[in-house]
Amino acid sequence: EAGVTQFPSHSVIEKGQTVTLRCDPISGHDNLYWYRRVMGKEIKFLLHFVKESKQDESGMPNNRFLAERTGGTYSTLKVQPAELEDSGVYFCASSQGGRGYEQYFGPGTRLTVT
Amino acid sequence: RKEVEQDPGPFNVPEGATVAFNCTYSNSASQSFFWYRQDCRKEPKLLMSVYSSGNEDGRFTAQLNRASQYISLLIRDSKLSDSATYLCVVTPRSSASKIIFGSGTRLSIRP
Repeated sequence: EAGVTQFPSHSVIEKGQTVTLRCDPISGHDNLYWYRRVMGKEIKFLLHFVKESKQDESGMPNNRFLAERTGGTYSTLKVQPAELEDSGVYFCASSQGGRGYEQYFGPGTRLTVT
Repeated sequence: RKEVEQDPGPFNVPEGATVAFNCTYSNSASQSFFWYRQDCRKEPKLLMSVYSSGNEDGRFTAQLNRASQYISLLIRDSKLSDSATYLCVVTPRSSASKIIFGSGTRLSIRP
């Protein structure tokens, strides 16, 4: 069975540009999470989808970040316009249930904003 | 104060040694607790959940102390392959979703 996949694996963009990250969860997992790890810091929760609905988006840094999960399958995270401080590794995870269930992480997208 | 605190290490121990990490959390209403393992430049992977009664999985033992608000991970007979960063993860009771990661403890096992 395929695990969580993320695309792209790396992205280098200039400040002010737009980037869209994609996450494909494990098939059948209704719960999808986005996280971010900025260099030298701990992994931070961004938001949680249950199917296509946003369950909790309290971790989203600001309105330059937009996450969608149309149809309840894959999800995208768009950063527009990107700022230098957005650089980091963006992880996606999925699980069968919510809190308390094992979350399976994707390999992450390493975003560098120059 | 961080919500979840870990000793960053690194812990450098010989193969076969026993090593223990602690993790403290600030929210007494926290509900679920986990240890994840993260290899260099890889994604985190669940090592084990931590239950109130404590749990053991082979060479790994996890304990929860709610009164003192800490969880621990004990690794016995350490192997070279145990070298990784160990992440303490806590879910607050107040949130349906949010989980909070510690910054991780680096472990290096030497031959």
